[in-house]
Amino acid sequence: QKEVEQDPGPLSVPEGAIVSLNCTYSNSAFQYFMWYRQYSRKGPELLMYTYSSGNKEDGRFTAQVDKSSKYISLFIRDSQPSDSATYLCAMTSLRGSARQLTFGSGTQLTVLP
Amino acid sequence: EAGVTQSPTHLIKTRGQQVTLRCSPISGHTSVYWYQQALGLGLQFLLWYDEGEERNRGNFPPRFSGRQFPNYSSELNVNALELEDSALYLCASSRDRGYDQPQHFGDGTRLSIL
Repeated sequence: QKEVEQDPGPLSVPEGAIVSLNCTYSNSAFQYFMWYRQYSRKGPELLMYTYSSGNKEDGRFTAQVDKSSKYISLFIRDSQPSDSATYLCAMTSLRGSARQLTFGSGTQLTVLP
Repeated sequence: EAGVTQSPTHLIKTRGQQVTLRCSPISGHTSVYWYQQALGLGLQFLLWYDEGEERNRGNFPPRFSGRQFPNYSSELNVNALELEDSALYLCASSRDRGYDQPQHFGDGTRLSIL
């Protein structure tokens, strides 16, 4: 079993829709949670970064963390064609020398005009 | 503020050859991380350098190695290239080695092995 499972998609939505992207994890040592967006032939771009359970909002993006259920989500409101990309959840623990990110497999999103 | 820069953008090599990839972190960042993004395998951690020292490595063979220079730039070396080494190699940097420091990625070097 992978430490991080991500809904694989692909996901296709009309412009203006609300998008929900989800990841679950099994390692309770994970304490920091991130969402990255990756356009084709580009590196991952950090969208959201959170430590606490609950919601964190930044513009059209809301990151939600539920540590008790080991579940994180990213919501995109009023989705735009420019949001079409692969979205990656990532997380890291607080233990020892571990600083590396453990990634989900990514969800490919297409927003249709 | 300039982001993480990587060079070259593309490389084509043959089996058995050696390759060196380079990374310049965001100005002021001391930690550099290397990841491999291979088709079907997702992003996997390779190496972490901070203040010139290797701090941690992922589950990759010893032919994957690297170093960090006094100016915090880094290079990744891969010896005895194999076909399965074909991937996008991504470098990331963070401000320091604190647990709460987010990692910012470059656009990677795409390595193709023939």
